[in-house]
Amino acid sequence: DSGVTQTPKHLITATGQRVTLRCSPRSGDLSVYWYQQSLDQGLQFLIQYYNGEERAKGNILERFSAQQFPDLHSELNLSSLELGDSALYFCASSPRTSGSPFSYEQYFGPGTRLTVT
Amino acid sequence: TQLLEQSPQFLSIQEGENLTVYCNSSSVFSSLQWYRQEPGEGPVLLVTVVTGGEVKKLKRLTFQFGDARKDSSLHITAAQTGDTGLYLCAGEGEYGNKLVFGAGTILRVKS
Repeated sequence: DSGVTQTPKHLITATGQRVTLRCSPRSGDLSVYWYQQSLDQGLQFLIQYYNGEERAKGNILERFSAQQFPDLHSELNLSSLELGDSALYFCASSPRTSGSPFSYEQYFGPGTRLTVT
Repeated sequence: TQLLEQSPQFLSIQEGENLTVYCNSSSVFSSLQWYRQEPGEGPVLLVTVVTGGEVKKLKRLTFQFGDARKDSSLHITAAQTGDTGLYLCAGEGEYGNKLVFGAGTILRVKS
């Protein structure tokens, strides 16, 4: 158990809909990362938050957005869903965003499997 | 853009055999991490290597960081069925930006 929790575990929805994925980082971790993993794309970095502020952006679509709340939990919002958005979505946390090489060690949650029909 | 290439993409071996997985880049990385992922679960951190030429051992797993910090390898001795999974390398950029993940190596160890 990494200490990172994600809900829901599974989500099935229709095209055009909007969903929210939730992540609670490990106790004390300030950085939260979101990744998308599909069979043909591997693990793709979407976005990072550090202590409530956006820190880095990856290949995140404009239809997707995220935020990190004062209690450090994070939500990933996916809207106007398409069939191609079906994937595993992982959240990871790390203690900080810089300062030592070990600051980047990431602890992954169990993921949310999103199926868009 | 910093990229990490992993090879082989897929490896199927018998229990007891040795294997090596490679992670290569044309870019320098400040540090490099190896993760193992089982189907339907999140990646689990195995090790972080920081210094060029560094070698770290974790039971039957040996991790090496290249002298120039552009490549790394994972060697497994006497593989077991429990080693089956997806092995991912990930590098921290030279200027302290986000992690870059390789595409992964799928390892299947048969009994």
